[in-house]
Amino acid sequence: EAGVAQSPRYKIIEKRQSVAFWCNPISGHATLYWYQQILGQGPKLLIQFQNNGVVDDSQLPKDRFSAERLKGVDSTLKIQPAKLEDSAVYLCASSLGSGFGVQPQHFGDGTRLSIL
Amino acid sequence: SQQGEEDPQALSIQEGENATMNCSYKTSINNLQWYRQNSGRGLVHLILIRSNEREKHSGRLRVTLDTSKKSSSLLITASRAADTASYFCATVGGNQFYFGTGTSLTVIP
Repeated sequence: EAGVAQSPRYKIIEKRQSVAFWCNPISGHATLYWYQQILGQGPKLLIQFQNNGVVDDSQLPKDRFSAERLKGVDSTLKIQPAKLEDSAVYLCASSLGSGFGVQPQHFGDGTRLSIL
Repeated sequence: SQQGEEDPQALSIQEGENATMNCSYKTSINNLQWYRQNSGRGLVHLILIRSNEREKHSGRLRVTLDTSKKSSSLLITASRAADTASYFCATVGGNQFYFGTGTSLTVIP
């Protein structure tokens, strides 16, 4: 089966600019996650979707970050405006089924964002 | 925070040796998962152990869980150079999912 696809792989922008990341999960996977992974740390969950509804966005900085999942398939994560501390790898993952945390998550290779 | 903490932060061993890494967490969990991350890549799921299980095996991997001590360990036997990666535990409790800080494993050929 095809894995989780993310684009772009790399992005360099200046602070205060906006940026968007795209994710296409594994076909049939109902749950989609966005993580932020700062260098040397573990991934931090930003938002979780169940089909096209938000299950948890408690750690999403809503003043600058937004995410949507169109028709319960693809998803985009946007940052506007970007800050220096947003430099990180943004990972998308998907899992089969609706039970929280009971299914393994499948990860894409991420988008590495550098803020100048 | 429920976030797990792995120990050690870094581990370097010779090929063929066993590698053990530990994860400690703070609150009650439903299950605990271990993931591997190769440099520049996404995470790969290795194994899931439920809160009512004490030990689980998968190939060269052995995971233990001690809920009374709020800790888990991952043992990789007969390590290979290809096992070089970062290893993360992830705790699942209620509607919270937290990754630990990771152990960086280097296997020297």
